[in-house]
Amino acid sequence: GQQVQQSPASLVLQEGENAELQCNFSTSLNSMQWFYQRPEGSLVSLFYNPSGTKQSGRLTSTTVIKERRSSLHISSSQITDSGTYLCAMEQGGSAKLIFGEGTKLTVSS
Amino acid sequence: EAAVTQSPRSKVAVTGGKVTLSCHQTNNHDYMYWYRQDTGHGLRLIHYSYVADSTEKGDIPDGYKASRPSQENFSLILELASLSQTAVYFCASSADWVSSYEQYFGPGTRLTVL
Repeated sequence: GQQVQQSPASLVLQEGENAELQCNFSTSLNSMQWFYQRPEGSLVSLFYNPSGTKQSGRLTSTTVIKERRSSLHISSSQITDSGTYLCAMEQGGSAKLIFGEGTKLTVSS
Repeated sequence: EAAVTQSPRSKVAVTGGKVTLSCHQTNNHDYMYWYRQDTGHGLRLIHYSYVADSTEKGDIPDGYKASRPSQENFSLILELASLSQTAVYFCASSADWVSSYEQYFGPGTRLTVL
């Protein structure tokens, strides 16, 4: 089965609303990364977050290793936040990332 | 800022032909990776390498070869391209496990096999 489950698969927001994206892992993990994929396809690393909470502007990532989950919170969403958000886990010491299928976010005015 | 470049950025190949995708990093990273992404899905690991002149199989290596001639360069080779290999290919690099496994990605190569 899928080792990395992302939810929701898609999300539609009005500009200014908040979003909560979830990532759950079926196996133990060493760390994880959140990526933003622009509509044209390029990837932007948002957070490398082995554990705990990290914030960057309107984005907050929280990873709880023991519970095998991570979340990405987007506050006051903007139209330019539209795109796909991918989470990926690194299994213990393997240096390899296993990706989820992504959450497609659409923010409209 | 980490720098990973890929060439070509897009390519159209014929079924049965040979395709080589190239990746270059200037991060002085030991690890390099090749992933593929199919439309609407996440990325899957094809091959990776942690030292020059050595490569390792990832999760979906069948139909692909990899070459790491130097620390900076990592190539993905499709000896006999097939329709099912139409996808976007991403290269990435990361430092050794002591410092961080955070991966830095290139812009991607869109491959279409006809």
